[in-house]
Order: sequence, then structure tokens, then C-alpha cells
Amino acid sequence: GQQLNQSPQSMFIQEGEDVSMNCTSSSIFNTWLWYKQDPGEGPVLLIALYKAGELTSNGRLTAQFGITRKDSFLNISASIPSDVGIYFCAGQPNSGGSNYKLTFGKGTLLTVNP
Amino acid sequence: DTGVSQDPRHKITKRGQNVTFRCDPISEHNRLYWYRQTLGQGPEFLTYFQNEAQLEKSRLLSDRFSAERPKGSFSTLEIQRTEQGDSAMYLCASREVFGNTIYFGEGSWLTVV
Repeated sequence: GQQLNQSPQSMFIQEGEDVSMNCTSSSIFNTWLWYKQDPGEGPVLLIALYKAGELTSNGRLTAQFGITRKDSFLNISASIPSDVGIYFCAGQPNSGGSNYKLTFGKGTLLTVNP
Repeated sequence: DTGVSQDPRHKITKRGQNVTFRCDPISEHNRLYWYRQTLGQGPEFLTYFQNEAQLEKSRLLSDRFSAERPKGSFSTLEIQRTEQGDSAMYLCASREVFGNTIYFGEGSWLTVV
């Protein structure tokens, strides 16, 4: 199935460092969502973005909805060991009756070294 | 806990057997989704319900797969004559009537041996 281009695939950082990851798509989305998934668990919603250009924060997490509506960015500041996990971006298509489906990236595996 | 609930969390079955997963969405969420996730991949859409109506099925959902939501509340996903390629995590998600945000359950792991 269709997937977004999410990068990087993995990151290994030191505790306290900032992290950036992004997703790009060839299609326009009207909603971008960022999820975190721990091993063996379902994705947990971190941030939802609904408007092009929107910048939203959730604690140490900040995400932006790209102006072109084809990309989104997630930043994590001052990383801590519990930030370890897989981060997924997901987009909802613009229209055409498919606006109830999510298309996911392949995920960014984040490892934080204490 | 008022989140999306899935049962069982883990299932190991022999090839050729049938399995059924249950999903209880967040109360009053009329939209319900099933996704499948394999190792190293993001979740992939399988099917979508609005109330009891199944409005779309992905091509990933072969004839061996069937999903129901008989009363517009809980849903079941049945896989008949399981194959090793069916091994995956099956995720259920729900969404409220006027919201854009989709909330996932903890998933049901299927291992076909």
C-alpha cells in the first residue's frame, strides 16, 4: 500500500539532545498526525495537525504541518530515555471520500543513550 | 480505561485454523478501522466502518478475511484458513463523529505456525 517517506529510519542519540524527523508525501494531506509506538503496543497519538503552516507543541514535542501540505516535521527537545520508541507520521488524504483513512510512514526508531 | 480495547492481545495458531479478533471502540465513536502492521512497517489500512456499515475494504483484505460490526459498537475481524503470511499485529482504531483524530488500541498479535 501507499506509504509516506519518513526519515531518518533510525536515530541513536545522547540523553539531552534534540531530535528532528520528517515525513514527505507526493499527495496533499489535510491532517497530519504523529504517533509513538512502544514494542508490542499500539500507536499512541502525540500531536495532531489540521492546518497548513500550523505549529503545535505537546510538552517537549513540537510538530509542524508543512505549507505545501505535503510534509510534516516533529522535533523532540532535551530527549530523555523514555523517548525511546518508534515514531510514525500519518496523513489523512485531502478529499475524494478517502479522508477517513490514514497513510503511515515506515517509522523512525529512536534510541536514547543515558 | 476508556480507550480502544482489543482481544486477544496475542494469538498463536496453526496454519489453516480460523482466528477471530474483537475490538471495542471508544464509547460513542461511530467510526471504526482495522489496520495491519508487520515488523518494520507502519500500519496499513484494512477496512472501515461507519456505525454498522462497512464502507471500504482494502485490497489487502483477501476473501479469507471478514470484518463485522453488527450493532455499530464492537467489531470482529475473522481470518479463515490462516497462512504464515497473516502473521502480523492487527490494530483497531476509532474516531468520534465530528473529530479528525484516530485513536488506536493496543493491537492483537497473530503468529501463524
